Amino acid sequence: DAMVIQNPRYQVTQFGKPVTLSCSQTLNHNVMYWYQQKSSQAPKLLFHYYDKDFNNEADTPDNFQSRRPNTSFCFLDIRSPGLGDAAMYLCATRADQETQYFGPGTRLLVL
Amino acid sequence: AQTVTQSQPEMSVQEAETVTLSCTYDTSENNYYLFWYKQPPSRQMILVIRQEAYKQQNATENRFSVNFQKAAKSFSLKISDSQLGDTAMYFCALHTGTASKLTFGTGTRLQVTL
Repeated sequence: DAMVIQNPRYQVTQFGKPVTLSCSQTLNHNVMYWYQQKSSQAPKLLFHYYDKDFNNEADTPDNFQSRRPNTSFCFLDIRSPGLGDAAMYLCATRADQETQYFGPGTRLLVL
Repeated sequence: AQTVTQSQPEMSVQEAETVTLSCTYDTSENNYYLFWYKQPPSRQMILVIRQEAYKQQNATENRFSVNFQKAAKSFSLKISDSQLGDTAMYFCALHTGTASKLTFGTGTRLQVTL
C-alpha cells in the first residue's frame, strides 16, 4: 500500500524548460516536505508545508517553488532548470509524531 | 542550531556478523527525536528505528537496536546478524520541535559481504 507517491519516477527536461514534480499521500499527514538529494549526499531540505503554511529554507533558490492545493497533494515547480538541478527529489510527510515518511523520489535529468 | 555527525563514511561487514554505526549530535533542546534511516541503492528512504530523547530505554526493532547515550549525545545503531539486504546508505537524523525539520548526518555506506 503506497503511502507517499511521487510522479513521475524519472523526469527528463531541457535546460531552462519549466518542470513540475508531484507528490501525493494517503496518510492524511499535515506536514509535507520537499528535499533535493544529490549522489551519495544527505537530503537537503528545500521547503515544507505545515498545513497550508509555507516554510522556505533560507538557501533555497528562487528557481524552486511549491504549491499545496490540498492536504493530499504537493507540487515542486522548477521554473528554469539548470544542469546543477539534476538530482533526486524526495517528498516526505509527517504527522505530529515527528517521524517523516519518504516517497520513492523523482530523479530529474537536465539536458 | 542542530548538528549531526557520522564519522564513518563507509563500513563493511560480513553476512551474519554484527556491525555498529556511529552518530553524534548536538542540540540545546531537551525534547527531541533521533532516527536512523536506510536508503538502499536507487531505492526509497525508509525508517529503521526511532528514539525519543525522554525515554531512557534503548529502542529495538528486530535485528536493529540503538545505544542512546543522552549525556554524551551519542546515538549508535547496531545491526545484528547482518544480511545482504542491509547493504545501503544509513542516515542518522535529529528532529527538534522548534525546527520542525530533520537534520541529517552525512551518511554511512554499509556493504554486507558474503
